[in-house]
Amino acid sequence: EVQLVESGGGLIQPGGSLTLSCAASGFTFSSYWMHWVRHAPGKGLVWVSRINRDGSTTTYADSVKGRFTISRDNAKNTLYLQMHSLRAEDTAMYYCARRWGISYFFDYWGLGTLVTVSS
Amino acid sequence: QSALTQPASVSGSPGQSVTISCTGTSSDVGNYNYVSWYQQHPGKAPKLIIYDVSNRPSGVSNRFSGSKSGNTASLTISGLQAEDEADYFCSSYASDSYVFGTGTTVAVL
Repeated sequence: EVQLVESGGGLIQPGGSLTLSCAASGFTFSSYWMHWVRHAPGKGLVWVSRINRDGSTTTYADSVKGRFTISRDNAKNTLYLQMHSLRAEDTAMYYCARRWGISYFFDYWGLGTLVTVSS
Repeated sequence: QSALTQPASVSGSPGQSVTISCTGTSSDVGNYNYVSWYQQHPGKAPKLIIYDVSNRPSGVSNRFSGSKSGNTASLTISGLQAEDEADYFCSSYASDSYVFGTGTTVAVL
């Protein structure tokens, strides 16, 4: 069974840093592009970042470019999101999601981890 | 990129059909047949129910159907059931990124 389990969220002050993790199981992690998507309270989902199978290619939403870094450790079946210079508007539930094959949709999602940026 | 526009809520009685619209632009929905739909129950992970505009993943009820016309995609839920009460989000590929809808809450009366 495919499972994605996020962790690392919490309460952080503006300007702070946090690293999220997403532990994958039930599939060959290294064969899939992986993404981070966030959901702020009262708003819609927002795509954050993606990484290719071997970690050599990454893409970011303009709102996080230069502050967030996506990475992966295929030996540990884990996806990461390093977040720096956090702002109140980064407050959201952060989901990791698997892109299905050569496609443009996400076939599995985790339950999410909540990041709250507040003083 | 701006979020795709969805109605905040729709409702229907059991057995009825409801349709959720998802309006984008010629840069996303109108330019690609890569619209997907996700269902999310409270406290649960989002679940893929439609991909590539109108395709259903294995295991998803055929009561869910998708379509697209121009810059607007639609999700129709036929034969509404209590278990369909959830939030629904659309998504579109948009030139090296993805844009999601504002989300729609479906209420079963």
